[in-house]
Amino acid sequence: DAGITQSPRHKVTETGTPVTLRCHQTENHRYMYWYRQDPGHGLRLIHYSYGVKDTDKGEVSDGYSVSRSKTEDFLLTLESATSSQTSVYFCAISEDRGQLDTQYFGPGTRLTVL
Amino acid sequence: AQSVAQPEDQVNVAEGNPLTVKCTYSVSGNPYLFWYVQYPNRGLQFLLKYITGDNLVKGSYGFEAEFNKSQTSFHLKKPSALVSDSALYFCAVGFDNLFFGTGTRLTVIP
Repeated sequence: DAGITQSPRHKVTETGTPVTLRCHQTENHRYMYWYRQDPGHGLRLIHYSYGVKDTDKGEVSDGYSVSRSKTEDFLLTLESATSSQTSVYFCAISEDRGQLDTQYFGPGTRLTVL
Repeated sequence: AQSVAQPEDQVNVAEGNPLTVKCTYSVSGNPYLFWYVQYPNRGLQFLLKYITGDNLVKGSYGFEAEFNKSQTSFHLKKPSALVSDSALYFCAVGFDNLFFGTGTRLTVIP
C-alpha cells in the first residue's frame, strides 16, 4: 500500500467519546487526504492537507478535525463520535493534488461507533 | 455541480469474456478521469487515468478505458476477464478534488 500505514486498523467506541485516527507515510508526499467509505456513497473527502500545518475542508468535514505537524503524519479527530460516523476511513497521499498525480491509498481503518 | 455515476452496482461476466464497467459524468470543462480498484479489506489501487490526448487509455493489469466526450463517459474495459479481476471498481472525476462514483462490484465467474 505505497508506504502508507493507518492506525488503528479497527476500533469500536461509544457515542460521545473522542477518537483519533493516524495516517503515516514514508513517501515524503506533500498532499495527504482523509476519506470515508460508505455503502451507496463511494468515497467522500473529509479533509486534506497540502503541507505541514496547511489543511482544508472536503465534502463531508462536519464533526471532523485534522492536524499535520509533520510531513509524514496526518491525524483525523472525531471530537465527539456519533453513530453516523461509523464507516471505513481511508488515508491517501499524492505528490500533487488530484488531477495531476495519482492518489495512493492506505489499508483503511474500520470504525464502529455504538 | 460535479457528479459521477456508475449505473451498475453489480456486473457479472464469465472468465475469458470481455468486460465493461460503465462510468458517466456531469461536469463542466474537461475533467481528469480515473479508475481505481479495491480488493477485499484493502485500500484503493490506481488503474489508469485520462488527462488529455488519445481517447483510449491503457492501464494496469490489462485494463483500458475509453473516453467519449460527446457522451461524457469513461468506460473501463478488458478484452478477457480473469477470476482475479473480481473486485470493486470506482470511477472518479474532478479538477482538484476527486469525486468518486458509488462503485461497481465485478464478479468473474469461472
